[in-house]
Amino acid sequence: AQRVTQPEKLLSVFKGAPVELKCNYSYSGSPELFWYVQYSRQRLQLLLRHISRESIKGFTADLNKGETSFHLKKPFAQEEDSAMYYCALSVAQGGKLIFGQGTELSVKP
Amino acid sequence: GAGVSQTPSNKVTEKGKYVELRCDPISGHTALYWYRQSLGQGPEFLIYFQGTGAADDSGLPNDRFFAVRPEGSVSTLKIQRTERGDSAVYLCASSLNTGNTGELFFGEGSRLTVL
Repeated sequence: AQRVTQPEKLLSVFKGAPVELKCNYSYSGSPELFWYVQYSRQRLQLLLRHISRESIKGFTADLNKGETSFHLKKPFAQEEDSAMYYCALSVAQGGKLIFGQGTELSVKP
Repeated sequence: GAGVSQTPSNKVTEKGKYVELRCDPISGHTALYWYRQSLGQGPEFLIYFQGTGAADDSGLPNDRFFAVRPEGSVSTLKIQRTERGDSAVYLCASSLNTGNTGELFFGEGSRLTVL
């Protein structure tokens, strides 16, 4: 079955601390993985995708096929990073995404 | 407008009533998606349109749910005989093409409450 698991509902860190939001997936095909973010009172938006191997707002994510993981990392968290983060798996042509349950990141001053 | 527009933003209805939720995608976006998000959960796929046709409706929970996109632009999600369990935020998204880019542009959602 195709599934995305985000084990932490809430992650709370202090400003300047490193952050890792965990994501594991289950998929028999070649995965395409993404991180979406929803800031307070804003709509859900794409943060980054694994195929681009990009760093956005200091965040990076590496696809580890052996561990079926796509963890999101940032070395120094900022207060403005506080938001809901969703890991998503693309399972078919057309962009159909399967989302995880989300992790709320809270960065305290 | 520049983004995906959804109406109404809030809908309160009684159990058993019929509801329509509307989505106006970004101009030129050929793909349109409906998701449902219950409290504390991630978005759950319902249906995807490519142009006027439903390319994948595997996420519709039962035959009370139906969606149309008659002219390949605006879409309407229709829910018959609403139940309390239908209460959720219904999200619409659109994307530029059918490529597997994963970049969906979401609306703000329609919050449905069934009493």
